[in-house]
Amino acid sequence: GAVVSQHPSRVICKSGTSVKIECRSLDFQATTMFWYRQFPKQSLMLMATSNEGSKATYEQGVEKDKFLINHASLTLSTLTVTSAHPEDSSFYICSARGGEDQPQHFGDGTRLSIL
Amino acid sequence: QQPVQSPQAVILREGEDAVINCSSSKALYSVHWYRQKHGEAPVFLMILLKGGEQKGHEKISASFNEKKQQSSLYLTASQLSYSGTYFCGTEGYSGAGSYQLTFGKGTKLSVIP
Repeated sequence: GAVVSQHPSRVICKSGTSVKIECRSLDFQATTMFWYRQFPKQSLMLMATSNEGSKATYEQGVEKDKFLINHASLTLSTLTVTSAHPEDSSFYICSARGGEDQPQHFGDGTRLSIL
Repeated sequence: QQPVQSPQAVILREGEDAVINCSSSKALYSVHWYRQKHGEAPVFLMILLKGGEQKGHEKISASFNEKKQQSSLYLTASQLSYSGTYFCGTEGYSGAGSYQLTFGKGTKLSVIP
């Protein structure tokens, strides 16, 4: 089955640090990848859609300069949380979709804790 | 717009059945179902496409009524491993080609011995 790898799984760092999260589709090409944020006991909130070779599309209320997304190839998208603060602490999950009528497959998520 | 899931939570004894509903206020192209266990990422269960259909996956099946803009997930003879939060993700016709899903708030299912 389709596998999406997300790394790192957990990050604990000081306020002001920038954190980079990688999302890779291991056995299929994904022209589109998605980045979600999830608070405890809540639903998945779409942050942005990452398109290979072009700029990401951000959802309303998500700061582009705060959450930098790069989709360098058909199998890799990265999310960088710049100058992270405690309010950025959350569970970040990426997903990739191989094409129309295909499901989104999720990475294992990254638990980010900013001290 | 976010689809509405019901019930919000359900507790079952092993072997009992459950139905989780997902309804949308907009026309749907597809409905995706996922299960998420605590602290883990969502796991894909099944996808239902336009045209209305039913699918089965072991003891878990689902239906999609395109006209009513609704989908239901059926869990029969529940097992302890079925515990988790179930999310439906809907894909509308607007923004076609974007492949975006909008997820419901989830239904927490707890199966007890």
